[in-house]
Amino acid sequence: DAGITQSPRHKVTETGTPVTLRCHQTENHRYMYWYRQDPGHGLRLIHYSYGVKDTDKGEVSDGYSVSRSKTEDFLLTLESATSSQTSVYFCAIKATGGREKLFFGSGTQLSVL
Amino acid sequence: AQSVSQHNHHVILSEAASLELGCNYSYGGTVNLFWYVQYPGQHLQLLLKYFSGDPLVKGIKGFEAEFIKSKFSFNLRKPSVQWSDTAEYFCAVNARGAAGNKLTFGGGTRVLVKP
Repeated sequence: DAGITQSPRHKVTETGTPVTLRCHQTENHRYMYWYRQDPGHGLRLIHYSYGVKDTDKGEVSDGYSVSRSKTEDFLLTLESATSSQTSVYFCAIKATGGREKLFFGSGTQLSVL
Repeated sequence: AQSVSQHNHHVILSEAASLELGCNYSYGGTVNLFWYVQYPGQHLQLLLKYFSGDPLVKGIKGFEAEFIKSKFSFNLRKPSVQWSDTAEYFCAVNARGAAGNKLTFGGGTRVLVKP
């Protein structure tokens, strides 16, 4: 699993509340990604990081922000959660020398009521 | 930007039947191609990948895929499925050399293998 840990595994929250999801890796990889998975849409990239404090937007970044103050941690924040952000969120890393192969975390099931 | 289409959203078949899942991508440049699998309750795992060379690639668990450049396709096949192949399958593409090494996924195909 390339040493990826996501927390929490499950979260239920209310509309309008802030939520932060954490992705932690133990192997010092440069590239980290946040995807959301929704039925019929597959996985869609939210944000990604290519180094400490270096991040960029993916295809569905509206309503999300990220931070990477340390190599090992990549945080995804929903500033004011909405019901449309109910989803399963996956963190992924690209292993160094891995030729674009991604390793995924176990996912976070987020429900916004 | 690249995009990926998977034509079948759901496939139901019996054990020992053959499986073929379609995948087409849209991108004008050189790509790397992947198939990932997600078993029930688990995260995504890589089945196989194509970077260059022989367009017929073999992956784990008896799966193979063929890259047909002229058709922008990368279809996944397995000659004889097992109940344990019940999963969701995702095709993905990465534009070679593009910033961020980002993968773009198709919508997925849910495969149910009946015993």
